[in-house]
Amino acid sequence: QVQLQESGPGLVRPSETLSLTCTVSGGSISSYYWTWIRQPPGKGLEWIGYISSSGSTNYNPSLKSRVTISVDTSKNQFSLNLSSVTAADTAVYYCARLLLGGYSPFDYWGQGTLVTVSS
Amino acid sequence: DIQMTQSPSSLSASVGDSVTISCRASQSISYYLNWYQQKPGKAPSLLIYAASTLQSGVPSRFSGSGSGTHFTLTISSLQPENFATYYCQQTFSSPWTFGQGTRVEIK
Repeated sequence: QVQLQESGPGLVRPSETLSLTCTVSGGSISSYYWTWIRQPPGKGLEWIGYISSSGSTNYNPSLKSRVTISVDTSKNQFSLNLSSVTAADTAVYYCARLLLGGYSPFDYWGQGTLVTVSS
Repeated sequence: DIQMTQSPSSLSASVGDSVTISCRASQSISYYLNWYQQKPGKAPSLLIYAASTLQSGVPSRFSGSGSGTHFTLTISSLQPENFATYYCQQTFSSPWTFGQGTRVEIK
């Protein structure tokens, strides 16, 4: 059973960079795509972007100038960096596995981690 | 961006009821429509993909239909564990977008 676990600071100061890592267990990170999604408190879901195990990326244009997603296959991890954060970036951040091709559903999700942007 | 609009935003129903949630896309998305269930404090979980294909392990009381711009999620015989928020998602065109969610509450 594939499991995903987000990790990283729960508090980030405005204008700094939010950095999160997702560790995949119970399966290899290779041959799949991996994605980040966020959910502001009490609100809906926003897709951030995805990365393939070989490093190909696709970002949401609304965040593209500030987002970098990377992958480390040796550690079975992928990461999210979001720069120049503001209070609007406060959200629960989820990582998920993406079955790209076909209808690209997100079939396995991490439990999510709350990141608060505040001084 | 393709806008996804769900209706209603919330509904109240009783155990055993059948409920239907609508999801409309701002342009045709063929069958590129997925449904997720989210319980409070938990991550979303995949229910249906490709508009009508049930994810493995999901009970058959869940069903999806539609194509183009109009889709529906139906839960027949609502169970206590089905009270949650449901989201549709289009993966026809990047950026992938979600509906605003439909909260299913106990009457």
